[in-house]
This record gives sequence, C-alpha cells and structure tokens, in this order.
Amino acid sequence: AQKITQTQPGMFVQEKEAVTLDCTYDTSDPSYGLFWYKQPSSGEMIFLIYQGSYDQQNATEGRYSLNFQKARKSANLVISASQLGDSAMYFCAMREGRGSGGSNYKLTFGKGTLLTVNP
Amino acid sequence: EAGVAQSPRYKIIEKRQSVAFWCNPISGHATLYWYQQILGQGPKLLIQFQNNGVVDDSQLPKDRFSAERLKGVDSTLKIQPAKLEDSAVYLCASSLGVLRNQPQHFGDGTRLSIL
Repeated sequence: AQKITQTQPGMFVQEKEAVTLDCTYDTSDPSYGLFWYKQPSSGEMIFLIYQGSYDQQNATEGRYSLNFQKARKSANLVISASQLGDSAMYFCAMREGRGSGGSNYKLTFGKGTLLTVNP
Repeated sequence: EAGVAQSPRYKIIEKRQSVAFWCNPISGHATLYWYQQILGQGPKLLIQFQNNGVVDDSQLPKDRFSAERLKGVDSTLKIQPAKLEDSAVYLCASSLGVLRNQPQHFGDGTRLSIL
C-alpha cells in the first residue's frame, strides 16, 4: 500500500489566490512527522513546512500552512496569495519508524503535485 | 550557511560504464542521505549514513551501487556498471540528526542519463 498519496497530478491557480494541495498518508506508528517540499524545475528540493503527529496546532510558515486532520490521515498544504514563483512540483513526505536509538527514521515521499500559477 | 553541495550537475554515460557522484553536506550535519528520483516520481532513499556508519541501505542495489562516507563528512555514490534504468536524478541530503522534526536539506542533484 502507498504510504503517501497525492491524488492531484497537476493543479492550476490564479496569481494571488489560495490553493490546497492534498496529501493522505498511511501508518500504524503513533509517532510520525509530515513534511512538504517544493521542487522547482531547477531540481533542488526546498523544505517548506513540518507537522508532528502530536502537534496540537496546525503548522504555519509564512504563506504556507498545513491542514492536519489526524483522524482522516490527511496533511494538506495550503498556499495563500499564490505567486508566479510558486510554480513547481510539491511533494508530501512522512517520517516514521523506530530504529535503535531512534536512528532509523525513513522519509517516504509521495509522487508529487505539479502546481502552475497563472498570471 | 552553505547548503548541500553536489557534483557533477549533469552526467551522460553509456550503459555498462561506471560513474561516481560526490556530496558535501551542510557543516555539522551528522546524517547524510542519497536518494534516487526517477522522472515523474518522488525521491526514493538509497542509503542513509549516521556520521560514517550506514544506518539503512535496504533499497540500495548492492550488486551495482556502492556508497561511502569517509571521515563522516563528504560522501560518494558509485554505480558500476550502469544500466538504462539508472537514468534519474541523484539527490544528496543532510540533516542535523535523526529526530523526527529535523528536516532534510537537499542539494541540487546530479542528473544522470544512460545511453
């Protein structure tokens, strides 16, 4: 079974509008972390935001916020006031697992959503 | 702070040849990762180092791929011999440690094309 599912291969949004990118995850580990990364066409992966499974509040970082619904196992990324520079691939990722001494936290990525911001 | 450095940026080789990639992590980062990203997919972890020890190499095709991290800083990833299906972007990442909330920081990647 897929651990991270991103159901939107592509999304379009008008500049200055908000957009939500979907992410659902599957884990039986009670302790896990969820990450969103942005990958522009140049190829680098840029860390955007983190949400821990025990965090009581939704994470926010500037124009990025994470709509965390634990019971539904979803961690959607909301980008407010979209800018042309937001056009990129967006990946949701999860870190779970317990190795000895906590040294085995794998990061598993979804397949990504390609966001295009139109002027 | 300087980011994760990778080289080369691009590499084109023929199948059955060998190739090596280099990565220099962010200073002070104990954990280093190599990922393979095939076109249209998310990155897949190949190997994880904690200092100079291997933590996880369960998805590394060990018959052709090898990696080392001497002295717990720089790392090299080698493919020998290369196959057509190895065409991908190879990403190196590092993190301060392995706590759940410590993000991985990625380099620009090496885009490998196998002819």
